[in-house]
Amino acid sequence: DAGITQSPRHKVTETGTPVTLRCHQTENHRYMYWYRQDPGHGLRLIHYSYGVKDTDKGEVSDGYSVSRSKTEDFLLTLESATSSQTSVYFCAISDRGIEQYFGPGTRLTVT
Amino acid sequence: AQRVTQPEKLLSVFKGAPVELKCNYSYSGSPELFWYVQYSRQRLQLLLRHISRESIKGFTADLNKGETSFHLKKPFAQEEDSAMYYCALSGRSYNTDKLIFGTGTRLQVFP
Repeated sequence: DAGITQSPRHKVTETGTPVTLRCHQTENHRYMYWYRQDPGHGLRLIHYSYGVKDTDKGEVSDGYSVSRSKTEDFLLTLESATSSQTSVYFCAISDRGIEQYFGPGTRLTVT
Repeated sequence: AQRVTQPEKLLSVFKGAPVELKCNYSYSGSPELFWYVQYSRQRLQLLLRHISRESIKGFTADLNKGETSFHLKKPFAQEEDSAMYYCALSGRSYNTDKLIFGTGTRLQVFP
């Protein structure tokens, strides 16, 4: 597996609380991505980064923000979690922006 | 619009039977297509990409531009092939290639 870790791996939180998920890579890849995986929807891109401090929105970015202050870390923040954000979140990295390698996922439950 | 369609949510076969997981795409331009596999509670892994024209774990996939399809095939299914399979399209944008995923097909191989 490519050197990608996600933390936490599981989290239960209450509606309205802020949540930050972390993706850490040791591959020095330029591109990083956050997806959510939901039954019937497959994987949908939330935000992505093409370099330090360079980020852009994906397909389902509402309610999410990201930050990338270092090459190795890409943070996903839910400012005020809602039940619709209960999902499995995957981080991915890519060297040339084509083939992507995925992290182990974070299972988030918002009650 | 760029789109990936996997018409089957679930495909069930017996061990030794042939398997074909369907994938159709919509893309104006020259697409790059991939198959990713996710075994139970594991991270997504790249299985195949059309430009490499290789066979991995007995699976092959041929890009048919006339039918805009990239179906995944295996002549003899094995129980260990049971997993979730995602077809993905690389949609090149200014700064990065973003993957557009289908909704996935769950393959169940019975003994």
